[in-house]
Amino acid sequence: DAMVIQNPRYQVTQFGKPVTLSCSQTLNHNVMYWYQQKSSQAPKLLFHYYDKDFNNEADTPDNFQSRRPNTSFCFLDIRSPGLGDAAMYLCATSRDIELGFPHFGDGTRLSIL
Amino acid sequence: GQSLEQPSEVTAVEGAIVQINCTYQTSGFYGLSWYQQHDGGAPTFLSYNGLDGLEETGRFSSFLSRSDSYGYLLLQELQMKDSASYFCAVRDQGSNDYKLSFGAGTTVTVRA
Repeated sequence: DAMVIQNPRYQVTQFGKPVTLSCSQTLNHNVMYWYQQKSSQAPKLLFHYYDKDFNNEADTPDNFQSRRPNTSFCFLDIRSPGLGDAAMYLCATSRDIELGFPHFGDGTRLSIL
Repeated sequence: GQSLEQPSEVTAVEGAIVQINCTYQTSGFYGLSWYQQHDGGAPTFLSYNGLDGLEETGRFSSFLSRSDSYGYLLLQELQMKDSASYFCAVRDQGSNDYKLSFGAGTTVTVRA
């Protein structure tokens, strides 16, 4: 059974049109992460939540926002997607920051028209 | 900050052994881990080394030498299903709480 669930698997949006990607988890993990992965590159951490505490990476563009309304759900909002934002977006969870290794969802592949 | 280096690609035949090396530079160090990612799929956790030495999990083994800032993933008895990308990742205590950073990945292609 999937433990980190991302919807949808494929998302197409228009240049500049806001889009939201969703992630849910059944593991009751404290930490939820969003990674961006472009073709043939390593996953790049955008931000993470430790419970309700939000931690943004220094080089994450302001265009990217996140919400975590409860333990189980986390959303990635891209306010004005550009062509360079086309990528696979991976949600991951871990029990805590220090000891847990992230469990990844299957990702949402975002295309920009 | 941190940086990791691993080969970009490796090709081998079924039944062979492949070793993927990873060297790293970190401001702190809290372990080296390995992930497998099939094309279009999610990264899946393979192994973790917090201390020097060899960790074995079935056909896969991982090794760490902290003094050399070096580790490797050993894939034995290669099967076609092992064709995937393999990422090493280090956890270090940077400015952002034990961030897990990934290498660029090694694409392993297994041929019949």
